[in-house]
Amino acid sequence: QQQVKQSPQSLIVQKGGISIINCAYENTAFDYFPWYQQFPGKGPALLIAIRPDVSEKKEGRFTISFNKSAKQFSLHIMDSQPGDSATYFCAASNGKAAGNKLTFGGGTRVLVKP
Amino acid sequence: ETGVTQSPTHLIKTRGQQVTLRCSSQSGHNTVSWYQQALGQGPQFIFQYYREEENGRGNFPPRFSGLQFPNYSSELNVNALELDDSALYLCASSLKQGGYEQYFGPGTRLTVT
Repeated sequence: QQQVKQSPQSLIVQKGGISIINCAYENTAFDYFPWYQQFPGKGPALLIAIRPDVSEKKEGRFTISFNKSAKQFSLHIMDSQPGDSATYFCAASNGKAAGNKLTFGGGTRVLVKP
Repeated sequence: ETGVTQSPTHLIKTRGQQVTLRCSSQSGHNTVSWYQQALGQGPQFIFQYYREEENGRGNFPPRFSGLQFPNYSSELNVNALELDDSALYLCASSLKQGGYEQYFGPGTRLTVT
């Protein structure tokens, strides 16, 4: 059972535009929501993360919006650059569970056109 | 600060064989998690090691096993390889007491023929 659903599967954005990726989760015990960026042939790199006690977190051009009641969170990439072209994964975890495993969404392939 | 390293980078094995993958955790991190990432999919949690013991396991059969050593490095062993085991195997390290952040290595690409 997929516990984290991510959309869209892919998106194309022009340089300078805004990329928006959405995720929805089912498990209300999740208490940590990170986003990872992955380039081809590389491991995922932690980009930004949020806890459910805040509704928004911004780091540079990357912003997470979190809606606890709707069990949804999203990543906004402002002023998208060609170097942002990568696959983005949302994830969620429950810090109280053994292993504190990350449950990942299916990924979104982002292409930024110059 | 040294990041997470994994070896080998690539590996080709035959169905039925056994394989061992290795991971060195980031400096200062005492917890190692292993994930399997099939092509075009998100990583799937295999298991986590903390204090040299398995601390949580995902939905993987017993032929997937692991070890953690006193220096916090870790091994993933897979017996009786199947074609569906072909994937990118990722190791992530974290500081158990320090929070939730997990930092991934570059992965080992395993191909089973």
